[in-house]
Amino acid sequence: AQTVTQSQPEMSVQEAETVTLSCTYDTSENNYYLFWYKQPPSRQMILVIRQEAYKQQNATENRFSVNFQKAAKSFSLKISDSQLGDTAMYFCALALNAGNMLTFGGGTRLMVKP
Amino acid sequence: DTGVSQNPRHKITKRGQNVTFRCDPISEHNRLYWYRQTLGQGPEFLTYFQNEAQLEKSRLLSDRFSAERPKGSFSTLEIQRTEQGDSAMYLCASSLRMGEGTDTQYFGPGTRLTVL
Repeated sequence: AQTVTQSQPEMSVQEAETVTLSCTYDTSENNYYLFWYKQPPSRQMILVIRQEAYKQQNATENRFSVNFQKAAKSFSLKISDSQLGDTAMYFCALALNAGNMLTFGGGTRLMVKP
Repeated sequence: DTGVSQNPRHKITKRGQNVTFRCDPISEHNRLYWYRQTLGQGPEFLTYFQNEAQLEKSRLLSDRFSAERPKGSFSTLEIQRTEQGDSAMYLCASSLRMGEGTDTQYFGPGTRLTVL
């Protein structure tokens, strides 16, 4: 079975600053995929970024980047130049090659302060 | 592309009643997933379909829960004899499976169920 742990229930950051959200996971599989999803208040979940475990290069999407440490089973999300619209719950998730169902962490509530 | 839609958005019911939720995936997405999310927690996988075939069910999906996707398009999730512990947000997601690897799931807005 897979597990995903997010150890920071809540975080805050000043607008325009940088923040890093932590995620650790456990799986016995070698091929898997990691995701960060964002869930704004009362709005639907949207994909922020994804990382294939077989790729050594860290994924980047505009202001969002990850630090993927496969040996440590760590997958942190860095948000640069934080914006008020980044305020949301952020979920780390893992999927295996087969099956595709997502295993989510408990989430981190991020508040961006003006 | 209108995204994943779910109806109703909110449902309040009394304990013991049956409820049914509907999910319309992104058109031509062949995979459809159901998750349950309780307040302050991450979503938990319930079941998923590829076309009309239900490929996997979680142990969370008790006998009171049934899901269908009869024509490989929309899906319904029915909960019979609801209990207060069923109160949660029920999320639907869809994806396009084209081969090896993991496809990206796109989520709907969810149906919030409150059992009184």
